[in-house]
Amino acid sequence: AQKVTQAQTEISVVEKEDVTLDCVYETRDTTYYLFWYKQPPSGELVFLIRRNSFDEQNEISGRYSWNFQKSTSSFNFTITASQVVDSAVYFCALGDNAGKSTFGDGTTLTVKP
Amino acid sequence: DAGVIQSPRHEVTEMGQEVTLRCKPISGHDYLFWYRQTMMRGLELLIYFNNNVPIDDSGMPEDRFSAKMPNASFSTLKIQPSEPRDSAVYFCASSSVPGYLNSGANVLTFGAGSRLTVL
Repeated sequence: AQKVTQAQTEISVVEKEDVTLDCVYETRDTTYYLFWYKQPPSGELVFLIRRNSFDEQNEISGRYSWNFQKSTSSFNFTITASQVVDSAVYFCALGDNAGKSTFGDGTTLTVKP
Repeated sequence: DAGVIQSPRHEVTEMGQEVTLRCKPISGHDYLFWYRQTMMRGLELLIYFNNNVPIDDSGMPEDRFSAKMPNASFSTLKIQPSEPRDSAVYFCASSSVPGYLNSGANVLTFGAGSRLTVL
C-alpha cells in the first residue's frame, strides 16, 4: 500500500526565513512519482512539481527547491526567503503507474510579515 | 483549455436529500478522479476512472455514494440520501496517461471544488 507522511502539521515562520517541509513515502513499486501541491487560502489545489522514481536530481525553481532521496524515501521541499504569499497548505503526494495518487495530510505553512 | 470545471461551487441541502456534483475534465485527459477533503480525514480518493471506466472505487464510503462517467467530458458524483457527515469539499481532478517519459504523467489538474453542506 502507498503511504505518505508529512510529520509537520503546522509551521510558522517570519518572512525571509527559509523553511523546509518534510515528506516521507512508502511504496513497494519500483516506478512511482512524487508530487508537491499547494492549496492557498482560496482553496484551489495547484501543482508545483513532479519527480519520477528514476530521477533523483534535485530541482530548483526560483525560491523553491526539492530534495529527493530514495535512500531515505524522502522528498523534501524548501522555500528560501519565504514570503507572506507562500502561506498555504502544502501536500506531498505519491503516484503509481496506474495513475492513482495518494496524498499526505498536508503541512500548513504560515509566513508572518 | 478552461481547466477542470466543477459545479455547483456551493451546495447547501438538508439531510436526506439527493446531491449531484458535476465535473468536466480537461479535454484529452484519460483519467478522472473524485477526491473529498475534510479537516478530519484530509484528502481522500473516492473513485477514479480511466477512459470512462471506473478503475478503483474502494474509497467510496458507502452505497449512498455513486459516480458515473457517461462520456469523456462529463462525470457525476451522487449522494443519496445525504447526511451531515457528508459535508466536505469535493474535488474533481483529471490527468493524462501515466508513464515516466510523459512529463505531464500523473499530474493532477484540480477543479475549484464543490463545497457541500448537509444540514
